[in-house]
Amino acid sequence: EAQVTQNPRYLITVTGKKLTVTCSQNMNHEYMSWYRQDPGLGLRQIYYSMNVEVTDKGDVPEGYKVSRKEKRNFPLILESPSPNQTSLYFCASSSRTGSDEQFFGPGTRLTVL
Amino acid sequence: AQRVTQPEKLLSVFKGAPVELKCNYSYSGSPELFWYVQYSRQRLQLLLRHISRESIKGFTADLNKGETSFHLKKPFAQEEDSAMYYCALIAGGGNKLTFGTGTQLKVEL
Repeated sequence: EAQVTQNPRYLITVTGKKLTVTCSQNMNHEYMSWYRQDPGLGLRQIYYSMNVEVTDKGDVPEGYKVSRKEKRNFPLILESPSPNQTSLYFCASSSRTGSDEQFFGPGTRLTVL
Repeated sequence: AQRVTQPEKLLSVFKGAPVELKCNYSYSGSPELFWYVQYSRQRLQLLLRHISRESIKGFTADLNKGETSFHLKKPFAQEEDSAMYYCALIAGGGNKLTFGTGTQLKVEL
């Protein structure tokens, strides 16, 4: 089944403890992206990637890192999480660009204490 | 900077009534506009985009460059239309997607 998967789905952690949220797609898509969803703020793009080793900042990149070593994977790294990064995170992919239909993952609910 | 505004957090209509979800944007160039929808317990998914000029599930949206709007319309609301709707914009030729804050549509019987 063609899909985007994220792991973990739920995570509670403490301030400063490095964590990685994985994202994988099996559709051979070139474009991948991370968003955070917060009440009253909608979805905001964190980072996106046009292809392997090509990444760029979205609207809210501070405090996050990403890497794209393989086409199918696009992990989101929080080196030193803080409580203001408590949010619902979505990964998405599309065939070539951000203008193509984006396929979203199920979301990862992160709580930073 | 590009910006998308959805002025209504919640829109409640009766079944069979017309629906209009408002979306305004600010961008000086030629944008690409989209509507994404999230049904309960489902993933966010594309509903329609302005370049396709198509009608999906009875919904249409017309890009009005003069009013910088991309309102989503449906003549007769159905119960299954209840969902969260997001308007989104990409600057022409760009790849950074900007979403609005979303409108929760509730269709009542």
